[in-house]
Amino acid sequence: AQSVTQLDSQVPVFEEAPVELRCNYSSSVSVYLFWYVQYPNQGLQLLLKYLSGSTLVKGINGFEAEFNKSQTSFHLRKPSVHISDTAEYFCAVSYIKAAGNKLTFGGGTRVLVKP
Amino acid sequence: GAGVSQSPSNKVTEKGKDVELRCDPISGHTALYWYRQSLGQGLEFLIYFQGNSAPDKSGLPSDRFSAERTGGSVSTLTIQRTQQEDSAVYLCASNKPDRANYGYTFGSGTRLTVV
Repeated sequence: AQSVTQLDSQVPVFEEAPVELRCNYSSSVSVYLFWYVQYPNQGLQLLLKYLSGSTLVKGINGFEAEFNKSQTSFHLRKPSVHISDTAEYFCAVSYIKAAGNKLTFGGGTRVLVKP
Repeated sequence: GAGVSQSPSNKVTEKGKDVELRCDPISGHTALYWYRQSLGQGLEFLIYFQGNSAPDKSGLPSDRFSAERTGGSVSTLTIQRTQQEDSAVYLCASNKPDRANYGYTFGSGTRLTVV
């Protein structure tokens, strides 16, 4: 069965400090990988995606993620966070051969940026 | 439309009543997905539509849940005889499942509270 694990349920971080959110997935087949952000009382917004090519993917709002096939990981990073980055972040995987591009999501990581 | 529209944004219902949740996807998006987000939980897949057909209903939690899509556009998720454990945010997403557009566009969700 497909699964996505986000190892940290909550990450407190000070403003202007770096942050890394960890994501691991289970797969023996090729995947597409995504990070979504959910601001309070809003829907999910796509931050970035890995489909193929360069393993370092840059997204919106200064976020980037690195695909590591051998470790089945897709960790999200930002070198310097802002208060406005306070949100919940979800990692998701889509299995390339799966019909309909169904996404399987991790449990989410809540980021709280402190001044 | 410009985005995925869901209605109502909030719904409070009495236990045992039926509810209908509506999703209006982005024009031209042939794929439509329903997810459920319970308090403190990640996103749980419910059902996927390609056009008007539902190739994958594997996530519907019980036979009280059903969904339909008409005209390849609007979808309705119906929950019959609601229970308190049905309380959650129900998210709809759509996409055009070609390679360049992998990743969903989400609506803002319907927050369902069963009292």
